[in-house]
Amino acid sequence: AQSVAQPEDQVNVAEGNPLTVKCTYSVSGNPYLFWYVQYPNRGLQFLLKYITGDNLVKGSYGFEAEFNKSQTSFHLKKPSALVSDSALYFCAVRDTGFNKFYFGSGTKLNVKP
Amino acid sequence: EAQVTQNPRYLITVTGKKLTVTCSQNMNHEYMSWYRQDPGLGLRQIYYSMNVEVTDKGDVPEGYKVSRKEKRNFPLILESPSPNQTSLYFCASSSKPSPGRGELFFGEGSRLTVL
Repeated sequence: AQSVAQPEDQVNVAEGNPLTVKCTYSVSGNPYLFWYVQYPNRGLQFLLKYITGDNLVKGSYGFEAEFNKSQTSFHLKKPSALVSDSALYFCAVRDTGFNKFYFGSGTKLNVKP
Repeated sequence: EAQVTQNPRYLITVTGKKLTVTCSQNMNHEYMSWYRQDPGLGLRQIYYSMNVEVTDKGDVPEGYKVSRKEKRNFPLILESPSPNQTSLYFCASSSKPSPGRGELFFGEGSRLTVL
């Protein structure tokens, strides 16, 4: 069965420091992996995805993610955090039949000035 | 502008009073789905549709119905709402996955309270 785990409910980081939001997945077959961000009272916004190709994926707002097949991980990273990055982040996997998306429970990112 | 539109955005209703949340997308996407978001549980899929007249259950379908009569519309129906259906609901659409596509596009959400 497909599943996604985000082991941290909350991540705190100082502005200007690098940030990492962790995600591990379990899928049968090739994974299609996504990161989304949710600001208060808004829908989820797409950040980046891994479908195939390079393991380092670059996305919106300076975010990137590294696909690691051996560790079944897809951690979200940013070299220098901004206060405006504070939001709720979701990792998701699309199953190989393309029918269903599975979301992690979300990680709240707090970036302090 | 490419978008997914949900209505209403906010709704307070009473137990047993049927309601429909509409969803429409203008991107000609084949795939549409509904999710509910609850604190600590992330997003859980209610129903999805691969194309017109093709729908299937997600992980939490009990108490909900859907229909897909047109490609752009995918309404969510609560025939007899109960308080445990109080939640934040999202509609989303997607094309088939390929290196350049496959992500979900979300609506702004519909916050439903059932008293």
